[in-house]
Amino acid sequence: DGGITQSPKYLFRKEGQNVTLSCEQNLNHDAMYWYRQDPGQGLRLIYYSQIVNDFQKGDIAEGYSVSREKKESFPLTVTSAQKNPTAFYLCASSMPGTTYEQYFGPGTRLTVT
Amino acid sequence: AQSVSQHNHHVILSEAASLELGCNYSYGGTVNLFWYVQYPGQHLQLLLKYFSGDPLVKGIKGFEAEFIKSKFSFNLRKPSVQWSDTAEYFCAVNAGGYNKLIFGAGTRLAVHP
Repeated sequence: DGGITQSPKYLFRKEGQNVTLSCEQNLNHDAMYWYRQDPGQGLRLIYYSQIVNDFQKGDIAEGYSVSREKKESFPLTVTSAQKNPTAFYLCASSMPGTTYEQYFGPGTRLTVT
Repeated sequence: AQSVSQHNHHVILSEAASLELGCNYSYGGTVNLFWYVQYPGQHLQLLLKYFSGDPLVKGIKGFEAEFIKSKFSFNLRKPSVQWSDTAEYFCAVNAGGYNKLIFGAGTRLAVHP
């Protein structure tokens, strides 16, 4: 059953701690993305990767970091430098050179107190 | 910079009413256009997409959208909504051949029985 998994579904952290969100896909897609979803703001792109060992900053990359060591995995670290980390985080993937349709995971809701 | 505007942030309808959600984008060249839907507690999923050809696109669950190039618009329509259409709807644009989507802020639709 192909798809994107994100874990955990809910995550709670204390302010000042780094936290890593997991994203795995078995769709054999080259490109992967991280978005942040806040009420009334839609989805904002944090980072994206078009190929293994390469990634680019999106519109709101400050306070976040990523790695892409494997095609299937694109973890996102929310660092203590992110001023407002509480949000819903969505991971997506796509196959470049097609219609650019992206497939989404179920999301992780991060709460930092 | 490319942008997507969704004019209606909240829409409330009764069952069997007709629906039209507005979406406008800012980009003068070739675009791919998408509507995604996020039902309560579910993944973001593709409702329909425009890549080329017939500007009237039909999607799942009776939804359709019309691409009007001269108006930079891609409005979503459904002739008769159901309670199960209650969800948040996002318009998205891929422009310039870059492997990224730009999302609108979303429209929350509530359908009352």
